[in-house]
Amino acid sequence: DTAVSQTPKYLVTQMGNDKSIKCEQNLGHDTMYWYKQDSKKFLKIMFSYNNKELIINETVPNRFSPKSPDKAHLNLHINSLELGDSAVYFCASSQLRGYHEQYFGPGTRLTVT
Amino acid sequence: GENVEQHPSTLSVQEGDSAVIKCTYSDSASNYFPWYKQELGKRPQLIIDIRSNVGEKKDQRIAVTLNKTAKHFSLHITETQPEDSAVYFCAARVSGNTPLVFGKGTRLSVIA
Repeated sequence: DTAVSQTPKYLVTQMGNDKSIKCEQNLGHDTMYWYKQDSKKFLKIMFSYNNKELIINETVPNRFSPKSPDKAHLNLHINSLELGDSAVYFCASSQLRGYHEQYFGPGTRLTVT
Repeated sequence: GENVEQHPSTLSVQEGDSAVIKCTYSDSASNYFPWYKQELGKRPQLIIDIRSNVGEKKDQRIAVTLNKTAKHFSLHITETQPEDSAVYFCAARVSGNTPLVFGKGTRLSVIA
């Protein structure tokens, strides 16, 4: 039983391309997140979605756009990929209110050449 | 917004010794403080958490302490084992619709 899943696990692409990463959770959580982890292992919040509504959007370039077709899915679309976008992207989910664990997906390693 | 500082960035200990990782936070309204462990190539996973109305919590070899006045919290691992080697992240969150803010991580190496 996979709680939070992401596809693909690895993504290698060239500069300028557009790509998407998919995320699904089967925990019934009401909030989903995208994090970027760079080579120094820093975990930076990019977006969070609650009930299909964007509630946090950090200073992320508008080339990145989250799309949530329903409460169980939050996909990440990236346009015009740049070398600096190379990182591991983690999807996560939790219940918004209260003291609830945030569950992470397995990560997608994006390499832009 | 919330800012979380974590120290040290790297820590090496001999097997069987204790390890301590410290974090400070800036927003006095933060009330939830989890710790995550990330093994090489894996996802971060929760190992222990503490709420602001509790000063200490233990789970076998792992303990977390919280000092609300000083706005800092610490992770203590006793009798370390090689499988404790990983990157550890502290985090803090203000209640409501805010996400976790993570520290920059501590790479712990347990030397056999």
